[in-house]
Amino acid sequence: DQQVKQNSPSLSVQEGRISILNCDYTNSMFDYFLWYKKYPAEGPTFLISISSIKDKNEDGRFTVFLNKSAKHLSLHIVPSQPGDSAVYFCAAARASGGSEKLVFGKGMKLTVNP
Amino acid sequence: DTGVSQNPRHKITKRGQNVTFRCDPISEHNRLYWYRQTLGQGPEFLTYFQNEAQLEKSRLLSDRFSAERPKGSFSTLEIQRTEQGDSAMYLCASSPDSNYGYTFGSGTRLTVV
Repeated sequence: DQQVKQNSPSLSVQEGRISILNCDYTNSMFDYFLWYKKYPAEGPTFLISISSIKDKNEDGRFTVFLNKSAKHLSLHIVPSQPGDSAVYFCAAARASGGSEKLVFGKGMKLTVNP
Repeated sequence: DTGVSQNPRHKITKRGQNVTFRCDPISEHNRLYWYRQTLGQGPEFLTYFQNEAQLEKSRLLSDRFSAERPKGSFSTLEIQRTEQGDSAMYLCASSPDSNYGYTFGSGTRLTVV
């Protein structure tokens, strides 16, 4: 049973526009969320995170929004650049439970067209 | 800082053989993780070390799998009597503390034929 779901397998946007990547989770015990980016033949790279005590975290062009009541988070990339083309993974953790385990979604392929 | 290094990058083995992978974490990172990723899926947690102590293991880590981190430095993941279902990318990651923002290696791709 997928506890972290990325229901859209792919997204294509034009350079300069906003990219919005969505993620849903089912386990209400998750209290820390992350986004990773992965290029082909490389391991995932940490991008941005958010604790459940916040509803927004921003880092440059990347903003993560958390809606706890809906068990939904999203990653906004503004403006999108061709170098952002990669597979993006949403991940969740039970930080307060002391677990070091991350639960990942299946990933979503973002293509930013010049 | 040379990042997390994994060897070999690729391994092809016959069903029933044993294989061992190595991970060299970033030197000052005391936390080390193993994940497995199959095609079309996200990484799945296998196990976690803090220094030399293995503190968390997934149910995915069957009796055929064993991981070690002697002296809290590099780590090895051994799979005994490999099966075709073991074919996957095995990812190692390390972290200096419990902030989940791991640094992943490029992985070892295992193909069992």
